[in-house]
Parts: sequence; C-alpha cells; structure tokens
Amino acid sequence: TQLLEQSPQFLSIQEGENLTVYCNSSSVFSSLQWYRQEPGEGPVLLVTVVTGGEVKKLKRLTFQFGDARKDSSLHITAAQPGDTGLYLCAGTAQGAQKLVFGQGTRLTINP
Amino acid sequence: NAGVTQTPKFRVLKTGQSMTLLCAQDMNHEYMYWYRQDPGMGLRLIHYSVGEGTTAKGEVPDGYNVSRLKKQNFLLGLESAAPSQTSVYFCASGERGLAGGTDTQYFGPGTRLTVL
Repeated sequence: TQLLEQSPQFLSIQEGENLTVYCNSSSVFSSLQWYRQEPGEGPVLLVTVVTGGEVKKLKRLTFQFGDARKDSSLHITAAQPGDTGLYLCAGTAQGAQKLVFGQGTRLTINP
Repeated sequence: NAGVTQTPKFRVLKTGQSMTLLCAQDMNHEYMYWYRQDPGMGLRLIHYSVGEGTTAKGEVPDGYNVSRLKKQNFLLGLESAAPSQTSVYFCASGERGLAGGTDTQYFGPGTRLTVL
C-alpha cells in the first residue's frame, strides 16, 4: 500500500493553463517535500513544508500543507513547457528517519 | 562540490551475476540512502544509513546488501542479480532534520541497471 497517494498520475495540458497536483495520506507527517525530476536525472527538491496550513510560493508554483499535516498540494499558474517533468511528493512521518515517496505525477505542458 | 555521484551510470548483467554500485557524497552528510525507481511506483527505499558504520533496511531490502565503511561512501551490492532487479537506482544523502528525520535529500544522477 502506498503511504502517500498522488493524483493525478498523468496530466497533459496546454501552455498557459493552471493545474493542481495532490498528495494525500491517512498518516500525519512532520514535514512534506515536493521534488521535480527530469529524464535521466535524480529528483531535485523544490520545497519543504513543515507547519500545518503553511503556504509557500516559488514563482508560479504554490505549495500548501494541509491543516492536519496529512496532505499537500502543488498548484502551477500559467504552466509553461519548461514545467514538464515528474513531480514527486515525499514525507517524513512523525518519529521516522526516512522519507516515503508518492508514486509521482508525470506532467506534460504542450506548447 | 560534486554533490552526490554514482558509478556506474549504466550496467547490463546476466541473471546470477553480482555487482556493486558506488555512491559518493562530498557534503559531509550523515544520512545516506539507496532507492530504486520503477514506473508507477515512485521511489522505494532499499537500505539507508544514519552514520558511518551503520546500516538499516528500508522498504524493499531483499536481494541487496549495503556497507558504509566511510562517511562519504555508501555501497549497494547485488549478490545474485535477478530480472526483477532491473530498475533505476538512486543514491541520496542528507542531514538530520526536524524530529530526527532528514530535512532535505540530495540525489545522484542514477544508475540504470538491466538484468537479463
């Protein structure tokens, strides 16, 4: 069973559209992270959220941590072809020493 | 800084062969990890280490062994490769973060392994 469920698994949209990717769990996490991975490379950290209800912005990307620290979302405004990639959420459960990853959302932005 | 490096980048093995994947980091991180990535499965933790000389099992440890003899190196071994171990393997390192867990993980570029 996947501790972190991401949805959708695949998303293909046109340049300029907005989108939201979700990361859900029944477990509470002390922190949650979003990574982006490009083909042939390892994941690269985008953001870490640690406080319930926290919102962080990274240019056109907005990340939110749920109030109960069980879920998170990534919203992209006016998507561009350069946003294309695999987006992974990952969390550290309370008291744990290791991250658990969602299965990823493969995002394609068409020009 | 090179960050996290992995060798080799590609490898093809026959069933039953053995090999070792090497991970090196130059950031003086305490924690190191080995993951495998398969389509639709995200990243699954194989083994990890919270310090030199220590190792622990992750989510999918069977068929793999690891060693952390030096702080900067983390080796992943396959004693008798099987086709089910065909995957992309990523090494990562990180610092102790909030609540004892790692705060940020830095990943290597990956090793693509095919077992025939």
